[in-house]
Amino acid sequence: QVQLQELGSALVKPSGTLSLTCSVSGASVTSNFWWTWVRQSPVKGLEWIGEVSHMGGSNYKPSLRSRVTISIEKSWSQNHFSLRLESVTAADSGKYYCAGATGGNGYNDYNGLDVWGPGTTVTVSS
Amino acid sequence: EIVMTQSPVTLSVSPGERATLSCRASQSIDSDLAWYQLKPGQAPRLLIYRTSSRATGVPARFGGTGSGTEFTLTISSLQSEDIAVYYCQQYHQRPSRTFGRGTKVEIK
Repeated sequence: QVQLQELGSALVKPSGTLSLTCSVSGASVTSNFWWTWVRQSPVKGLEWIGEVSHMGGSNYKPSLRSRVTISIEKSWSQNHFSLRLESVTAADSGKYYCAGATGGNGYNDYNGLDVWGPGTTVTVSS
Repeated sequence: EIVMTQSPVTLSVSPGERATLSCRASQSIDSDLAWYQLKPGQAPRLLIYRTSSRATGVPARFGGTGSGTEFTLTISSLQSEDIAVYYCQQYHQRPSRTFGRGTKVEIK
């Protein structure tokens, strides 16, 4: 059974960089998944941020594309994927989830986000 | 970017009654639509993918229909544990697999 856990700083200063890691257990990050970051806020509800596939391809929400990077880290001691969001403002505050959709062999190899982490709350404030 | 519009914003339904939630896409997405359930303090849960296929463990009272731009999630007999916010998501077109704004289902 695949399990995900978000790790990272709960407080980020305005104009700083938000960095989160999603630790994956029960599967390799190089297995057939679209590894995804989603955030939740009272104003926007769920917001899809972006994804990376086990094949290395990535897609991002256009309005965030200039500030966001999602990457996979796989080694003998690491099995996770990461989110980096630069130049943050208060509007980037919210609950951040990592998630996975089985597939990843091409954009249309996708059947919804069927595994989720519990989420972590990030606040942007000085 | 495809825009997903959900209605109504809030739906009040009596226990045992049918709940019907709508999701409209700004352009055709074929059948590339998923539905999720989000309860307070929990992670989202995948209910339906490819418009009408139930995810593993999802009760049969949840059903999805539609194609093109109009989609519906139906809860045939509302239970107290179904109180949640429901989101649709399209995954048809690059680069963004967009969510709708959600429908809150509450007990009447």
